[in-house]
Amino acid sequence: AQSVTQLGSHVSVSEGALVLLRCNYSSSVPPYLFWYVQYPNQGLQLLLKYTSAATLVKGINGFEAEFKKSETSFHLTKPSAHMSDAAEYFCAVSGGFKTIFGAGTRLFVKA
Amino acid sequence: GAVVSQHPSWVICKSGTSVKIECRSLDFQATTMFWYRQFPKQSLMLMATSNEGSKATYEQGVEKDKFLINHASLTLSTLTVTSAHPEDSSFYICSARGDSGRTNTGELFFGEGSRLTVL
Repeated sequence: AQSVTQLGSHVSVSEGALVLLRCNYSSSVPPYLFWYVQYPNQGLQLLLKYTSAATLVKGINGFEAEFKKSETSFHLTKPSAHMSDAAEYFCAVSGGFKTIFGAGTRLFVKA
Repeated sequence: GAVVSQHPSWVICKSGTSVKIECRSLDFQATTMFWYRQFPKQSLMLMATSNEGSKATYEQGVEKDKFLINHASLTLSTLTVTSAHPEDSSFYICSARGDSGRTNTGELFFGEGSRLTVL
């Protein structure tokens, strides 16, 4: 069985500040982990994915995430927030056929 | 990357009518597609798994007769909301997982979503 917990339904940062969105997972098998971004009234777009290769994964738009097995975490970071990063972010885990999504974290970016 | 197209993006219908939403994989074959429902400010709720050439697998609590799914080809799955009522108003999103090597890591490719409003 798998599950995903995203800590914080809302995160607010200033433009140029560090972005940190937290995700913890549980999985009975080696997981594949994903971060997706959703803009209003749109589908989800893949930001990055972990598939058992390098533990530090780089994605699009300057985002990256680090897989930490000991902490069962896959937190998403970006060194400098941009206004265009304001969106909903979903962490997801897949260890088999289905993909399980976290509840989502809405990122607000203040000017 | 792989492209999934969903149509229509927006639909408004009267209560009691049926609405069909299409999900197409444009540049790859999708043996499996997934249909989600998303309520405002919430995560995606998996409704059903659509398998090409066979019956869809519905999640617990999802009415099969209400949400008809057809996956007649490797590039098209349809969701029909039958006898729609205002409580069926929601954002419906499809995703596809192909049978090519690039998707064997579990990555999903999402459609743009369809906003259904039932009056």
